[in-house]
Amino acid sequence: LAKTTQPISMDSYEGQEVNITCSHNNIATNDYITWYQQFPSQGPRFIIQGYKTKVTNEVASLFIPADRKSSTLSLPRVSLSDTAVYYCLVGYNTNAGKSTFGDGTTLTVKP
Amino acid sequence: DSGVTQTPKHLITATGQRVTLRCSPRSGDLSVYWYQQSLDQGLQFLIQYYNGEERAKGNILERFSAQQFPDLHSELNLSSLELGDSALYFCASSVAGTGFMNTEAFFGQGTRLTVV
Repeated sequence: LAKTTQPISMDSYEGQEVNITCSHNNIATNDYITWYQQFPSQGPRFIIQGYKTKVTNEVASLFIPADRKSSTLSLPRVSLSDTAVYYCLVGYNTNAGKSTFGDGTTLTVKP
Repeated sequence: DSGVTQTPKHLITATGQRVTLRCSPRSGDLSVYWYQQSLDQGLQFLIQYYNGEERAKGNILERFSAQQFPDLHSELNLSSLELGDSALYFCASSVAGTGFMNTEAFFGQGTRLTVV
């Protein structure tokens, strides 16, 4: 599994766009990049997944540069309810897979 | 609603006791994963089962064990409980048997275990 590095915490204000970057310098050719969101005392929830370039869904966008050594989760116009921990996962399903989470980024959205 | 059901939601027990946590995966998912999340700590992967067989093992203590039954529900057994075992225990499920790094996992709401 590729080692990932994310900021420990970030602050933002309601209505702003938030970009959380994840570094994964040793990403392998087959690896995918996935982001999960976790609210306090709840199970993580899948947000978005991508392999290269840009992926967009109804809640977020994921930007992946050509070298794939980093990725950026973009949350448009955040609200107080977006306050959560965001995890970046990098890897590929393998027979020896251990689906592990890193430390995540705690996003605090202020009014 | 993720489709993954965990019971009970809360559990309070004394040190030295044994408890069983239960997880019903999302319909159609063959893999079940167990995670432990202590206060202010990250998600620690414990173990994965796929279609009844152990598929991957993480930092699971010898006092802990799990199994997956023919109907695909899974149970996590925690014995000789210590204060430090107090945590949220999450179950997740996915279709693939080899992890969910390039697919999607669905998590339950967790069981909060308090050991007193």
